Amino acid sequence: GDSVTQMEGPVTLSEEAFLTINCTYTATGYPSLFWYVQYPGEGLQLLLKATKADDKGSNKGFEATYRKETTSFHLEKGSVQVSDSAVYFCALSGDNQGGKLIFGQGTELSVKP
Amino acid sequence: NAGVMQNPRHLVRRRGQEARLRCSPMKGHSHVYWYRQLPEEGLKFMVYLQKENIIDESGMPKERFSAEFPKEGPSILRIQQVVRGDSAAYFCASSRIGQGELLFGSGTQLSVL
Repeated sequence: GDSVTQMEGPVTLSEEAFLTINCTYTATGYPSLFWYVQYPGEGLQLLLKATKADDKGSNKGFEATYRKETTSFHLEKGSVQVSDSAVYFCALSGDNQGGKLIFGQGTELSVKP
Repeated sequence: NAGVMQNPRHLVRRRGQEARLRCSPMKGHSHVYWYRQLPEEGLKFMVYLQKENIIDESGMPKERFSAEFPKEGPSILRIQQVVRGDSAAYFCASSRIGQGELLFGSGTQLSVL
């Protein structure tokens, strides 16, 4: 079945450091790919998405490019802030799944001042 | 436009009691999804419903768990005879038809004593 694998956390960075969180997926067909963010005590918020190969999703300084050849959707940000501290989830929505999302296990990011 | 509303925010039950979690989807959304998040784990899909229909319940435990989304009123996730292992955060999400982008509620934290 479809699945998503993320790099394990926690990831600890200093403010203004470069961030990469790796995400790879297994799916048949052409899934849509998403990054969601969960701040402490809250629900998930959509951060960005890409619906076809080579699409780049971007929001709030975060970017991710849909790479079909490597089945990856890595999340990047050039300069993180303390306020970016959260748990980040990569997810996919497969063909004919009615919009159901399959999530990775999540990666906790902690940014120190 | 209040988004996806879940209540209660926190629910405490003793072993053997019943837990009822409610979810009102965003206005205009006809699809509801329930997810469970165990401590230190990602989100696991439980069930996907449309009004008066269960579309995909492949993630629901076979016993004690049920879900409904009636024609009028919120979606309900019901857990009978709760056990300590049911303690988790339960998230509801909604979407329009055909969209993979889900909008999440703030979750219900269930604690079983």
